[in-house]
Amino acid sequence: AQTVTQSQPEMSVQEAETVTLSCTYDTSESDYYLFWYKQPPSRQMILVIRQEAYKQQNATENRFSVNFQKAAKSFSLKISDSQLGDAAMYFCAYRRPPMYSGGGADGLTFGKGTHLIIQP
Amino acid sequence: EAQVTQNPRYLITVTGKKLTVTCSQNMNHEYMSWYRQDPGLGLRQIYYSMNVEVTDKGDVPEGYKVSRKEKRNFPLILESPSPNQTSLYFCASSLIGGRAFFGQGTRLTVV
Repeated sequence: AQTVTQSQPEMSVQEAETVTLSCTYDTSESDYYLFWYKQPPSRQMILVIRQEAYKQQNATENRFSVNFQKAAKSFSLKISDSQLGDAAMYFCAYRRPPMYSGGGADGLTFGKGTHLIIQP
Repeated sequence: EAQVTQNPRYLITVTGKKLTVTCSQNMNHEYMSWYRQDPGLGLRQIYYSMNVEVTDKGDVPEGYKVSRKEKRNFPLILESPSPNQTSLYFCASSLIGGRAFFGQGTRLTVV
């Protein structure tokens, strides 16, 4: 079974600084997807960024970027120019490729989350 | 507007009283699933459905039932809720292999 590990239960960063959240995962598959989700106090699950394992180029979305190291099974999230609105729980998630026949789970396996605090 | 709608958002119930949490999506997605979120554990999948009348267990299915009679709806049923099912529940939908859309969450308390 796949596992996702977020080793930092809580991180704190000064506003406008850069912070990196770590995530490692365990899988025997070569093709899969990785995600970072943000959960603010409203509890809504917001997709921050997505990476496909077959793509070597690291995904980027504005101030959010990832460092995807496939051999090391590492998928860290970097947030540049941190803003107060970035304060939230961040979850790393893994998903296998879909299986179109014979069933199979297309679901997400989540890490336990990192609580990000932004200091003004 | 593309969305996944869960109801109710908040629910307090007593042990043993059957309840249903509804989930509906308007994006014609084949894949739907239920997760529960507990402090320090992240989100864990309860049940999923690949299409109408096709459902299967996720990682923590005990104490739950689901049905998928229509493509848009995927209700979560607790036949005899217990306090250890107090949790935050999320429904999600996607095209097979596509991006997951999450509902707003249902905070369930079983006393």
